[in-house]
Amino acid sequence: QKEVEQDPGPLSVPEGAIVSLNCTYSNSAFQYFMWYRQYSRKGPELLMYTYSSGNKEDGRFTAQVDKSSKYISLFIRDSQPSDSATYLCAMRGSDYKLSFGAGTTVTVRA
Amino acid sequence: DSGVTQTPKHLITATGQRVTLRCSPRSGDLSVYWYQQSLDQGLQFLIHYYNGEERAKGNILERFSAQQFPDLHSELNLSSLELGDSALYFCASSVVSGRRGETQYFGPGTRLLVL
Repeated sequence: QKEVEQDPGPLSVPEGAIVSLNCTYSNSAFQYFMWYRQYSRKGPELLMYTYSSGNKEDGRFTAQVDKSSKYISLFIRDSQPSDSATYLCAMRGSDYKLSFGAGTTVTVRA
Repeated sequence: DSGVTQTPKHLITATGQRVTLRCSPRSGDLSVYWYQQSLDQGLQFLIHYYNGEERAKGNILERFSAQQFPDLHSELNLSSLELGDSALYFCASSVVSGRRGETQYFGPGTRLLVL
């Protein structure tokens, strides 16, 4: 079993829809949770950063962390074609070693 | 643009050869991380350097090695290359900032193709 599980999709939604992405993990030591966006042939770009459990909102993006369930989510509201990318969840404990999910490929149809 | 630079962008070589990938971190960042991204394994942590010293190792093969120089740039050396080493190799640099902790910023990657 992988340390971080993420459904690779692909996920296709119409423009304006809410995109819902999630990851589960098994390592209780994880404290920091991130979402990265990766466009084709580019490096991952940090979108959201959350420490411990709770919600965090930044514009159209909302990240949720439920440490009791070992489950994290990312919601994208009012999705745009420019949101089409691969979204990777990442997490770490105190040792700075990031563990990534497999990434979910999202396509937003105009 | 993350501020992390990697060279070369593309590299095509043959099995058994040796290559060197280079990374320049963002100005002021002391930490450099190397990752390998392949279709079947996803993004895998290889190694972490902080201010010239190795801090952590992940799933890095013995044929691979890295170092960080006094000017903080880093090099990843891959030797005795195999077909399965074909992948995207990313470098990331990081800064520790208050309660947010450490944030990693990724470079554009080097695409390695071993024929």
